[in-house]
Amino acid sequence: EVQLVESGGGLIQPGGSLRLSCAASGFTVSTNYVTWVRQAPGKGLEWVSVIYSGGSIYYADSVRGRFTISRDNSRNTVYLQMNSLRAEDTAVYYCARDLVGPTCRWGQGTLVTVSS
Amino acid sequence: EMVMTQSPATLSVSPGERATLSCRASQSVGSSVAWYQQKPGQAPRLLIYGASTRATGIPARLSGSGSGTEFTLTISSLQSEDFAVYYCQQYNNWPFTFGPGTKVDIK
Repeated sequence: EVQLVESGGGLIQPGGSLRLSCAASGFTVSTNYVTWVRQAPGKGLEWVSVIYSGGSIYYADSVRGRFTISRDNSRNTVYLQMNSLRAEDTAVYYCARDLVGPTCRWGQGTLVTVSS
Repeated sequence: EMVMTQSPATLSVSPGERATLSCRASQSVGSSVAWYQQKPGQAPRLLIYGASTRATGIPARLSGSGSGTEFTLTISSLQSEDFAVYYCQQYNNWPFTFGPGTKVDIK
């Protein structure tokens, strides 16, 4: 069964760093693309970043230069390293396999709260 | 950055009625539009991609149409499980962007 499990969220002070993990099972992250999408409390969806099977990476303007997406094929896991966190980064962060297409699958999300 | 707008913000519909949701792109995105449904406390679910292709397991009462800058999601006969928030997304230009959503609630 295809499953994605996010972890690593929590309460962090402004300016701090967190690393989110997206652990995949039932498929191989190296042969699919994995996207991070976030949702601030009570707000809509915001596309954050993607890593493709070939290694291409893209970021939203709001996180470029602060966030880094990567993957560990041996752990079948995709990461989102988040640095210089701001209050506006507070959100539930979801990872998704093949965001658009017949094999799309989302995780359940992990909450990141940036507050002093 | 491509801006996606959705209308209306809220749509009140009675069960069994038809619902029509609109999505507009600030520039042409061809057919590279997807629609998602989200219920409270749940992750989004992909409904439609390629503007009109239903995702796996999506019932035929949901249909998508449009191209260029104007897109529509139609629910032909609303069922109780269809009351939710719906988002459109373009994936033609980086960064990919979502619309603000349309909430479909019970009239």
